[in-house]
Amino acid sequence: AQSVSQHNHHVILSEAASLELGCNYSYGGTVNLFWYVQYPGQHLQLLLKYFSGDPLVKGIKGFEAEFIKSKFSFNLRKPSVQWSDTAEYFCAVTPYNTDKLIFGTGTRLQVFP
Amino acid sequence: ETGVTQTPRHLVMGMTNKKSLKCEQHLGHNAMYWYKQSAKKPLELMFVYNFKEQTENNSVPSRFSPECPNSSHLFLHLHTLQPEDSALYLCASSQDRRHFEKLFFGSGTQLSVL
Repeated sequence: AQSVSQHNHHVILSEAASLELGCNYSYGGTVNLFWYVQYPGQHLQLLLKYFSGDPLVKGIKGFEAEFIKSKFSFNLRKPSVQWSDTAEYFCAVTPYNTDKLIFGTGTRLQVFP
Repeated sequence: ETGVTQTPRHLVMGMTNKKSLKCEQHLGHNAMYWYKQSAKKPLELMFVYNFKEQTENNSVPSRFSPECPNSSHLFLHLHTLQPEDSALYLCASSQDRRHFEKLFFGSGTQLSVL
């Protein structure tokens, strides 16, 4: 079965530290890839997405993600985190030409001032 | 605010109770979804409605019963739930089923079953 793995369940960083959250998926064909974010007490919202083209995708608030097809990965990065980035981050994958949005288990990020 | 409103925000119920979760969107969307978010588990898609027709039931137990009276409203009726059903229940909407990845989520109902 298709699945999405987020191996980091809980990440704790100080402000200005660099961030990389891992996301791997198990599907051999073409995929569309997403990162969603859920700030404390708020709704899930789309952070960035990859459909095709440049594998390095820029999102809101300085986030970016790189699609590495050979590694089945779509890791999320930010060079310098802020306290306001404290949230839960979900990776999601859609196998091409399907309407299945498959989520990972999420990674809880805590940033301390 | 995403334009998707869920009520109540919190719900505590016993296993013999009957309760309903409500979701409302004023975005003009035609597809609405129920997701279940449990700790340390992936978000699980439960039901999908497209133009008021149920298009997906993801093997959800019958103690969960969805209702979509119109494109703006979605309900989840709960009956004789189990403690393992305790979770955050999220409603989402999209323009239609084809735009399923452009989801707008509500804030969720945190359900505790005692």
